[in-house]
Amino acid sequence: DGGITQSPKYLFRKEGQNVTLSCEQNLNHDAMYWYRQDPGQGLRLIYYSQIVNDFQKGDIAEGYSVSREKKESFPLTVTSAQKNPTAFYLCASTKGRGQAGELFFGEGSRLTVL
Amino acid sequence: QKEVEQDPGPLSVPEGAIVSLNCTYSNSAFQYFMWYRQYSRKGPELLMYTYSSGNKEDGRFTAQVDKSSKYISLFIRDSQPSDSATYLCARWDSNYQLIWGAGTKLIIKP
Repeated sequence: DGGITQSPKYLFRKEGQNVTLSCEQNLNHDAMYWYRQDPGQGLRLIYYSQIVNDFQKGDIAEGYSVSREKKESFPLTVTSAQKNPTAFYLCASTKGRGQAGELFFGEGSRLTVL
Repeated sequence: QKEVEQDPGPLSVPEGAIVSLNCTYSNSAFQYFMWYRQYSRKGPELLMYTYSSGNKEDGRFTAQVDKSSKYISLFIRDSQPSDSATYLCARWDSNYQLIWGAGTKLIIKP
């Protein structure tokens, strides 16, 4: 079955550590996105990529980094510079560059800073 | 002012009731709207999309757009406990970015 796989589902991090969240899709989609979700705030865009080896900052990119070396993979690193990283992180993809359409989501990764 | 406004709720209704979920938007430049449903600790899934005024039906769900008042609605008929979830509205903008509402938490009481 085609879809988006995020891992790990739950992750605990000590302050000062970097962590990387994995996102893999087998939908052959060009565009991929990372969102952060906090209670009562909806989805906030961290980074997005419309093509391999290219990505753009979203609304809350500070303290995060990404790479897009392969079409199917878009990992997100939460760095120690992110002041409040405890949140639910969602990866998504959509078919085309510069097109409006359905956004497909993974199951999410919940990061807790201890 | 956020471009898409949505009451976060929670909205609690008895089973079998008609549910009305609403969003308002402020930018009229590009009008492609979507409703997503998100169960607790899961990723959102698309329920319905619409890019025209009027109603669009899919089973117990009806999406409605009123462009004159910049209002979008989702109606759920014969609501079930399994409809308990957070409902997110979203709008594609002219730069092909999604603008999200905050989401409304819906609780259907058996």
